[in-house]
Amino acid sequence: EAGVTQFPSHSVIEKGQTVTLRCDPISGHDNLYWYRRVMGKEIKFLLHFVKESKQDESGMPNNRFLAERTGGTYSTLKVQPAELEDSGVYFCASSRLGPYTGELFFGEGSRLTVL
Amino acid sequence: GESVGLHLPTLSVQEGDNSIINCAYSNSASDYFIWYKQESGKGPQFIIDIRSNMDKRQGQRVTVLLNKTVKHLSLQIAATQPGDSAVYFCAEIPGGSYIPTFGRGTSLIVHP
Repeated sequence: EAGVTQFPSHSVIEKGQTVTLRCDPISGHDNLYWYRRVMGKEIKFLLHFVKESKQDESGMPNNRFLAERTGGTYSTLKVQPAELEDSGVYFCASSRLGPYTGELFFGEGSRLTVL
Repeated sequence: GESVGLHLPTLSVQEGDNSIINCAYSNSASDYFIWYKQESGKGPQFIIDIRSNMDKRQGQRVTVLLNKTVKHLSLQIAATQPGDSAVYFCAEIPGGSYIPTFGRGTSLIVHP
């Protein structure tokens, strides 16, 4: 079974530019989460999809961030325009619906560097 | 990859020693707790979980202890190996939520 895949693994952009990160969850996983980790700090929640619906987007920092999950399969996270403080590693995770186990399957992350 | 250990609390141990990683959680309403391991350049990986109605749970070489009175969680790793070197995160989930809230992480360094 393929794991959660994220693309790109690393992106370097200038302040003001746009970046789109993509996440392909494990097949059959209806829950999809985006998290962000700034170096040396905690992994912070951004938002949660169940299939194509946003269940909780309370962690999205501001309206420069837009997440979509059309068709309930892969998800994209767009940052437009990017600011210096957006730098960090963006993790995507997925899990099945059903009895909750707390086990999220994470991708390897997309590292974003804004110069 | 990401330098996951930078500026984090760090625990250094010798190979073969037992390791204890501690975590203080914040929400007394949390009823589910999880430990994740993140190796450099990789995403966090589930290790073990525990519900709030338990105070101890054991896995393979790992034990999680929960003290709800002082809101403290610990992860014990027996016979620590170099492959255990990573950043360890505790996460809590409030009742009724499906969103793990992660702590800052502890860097474990195992010396051969």
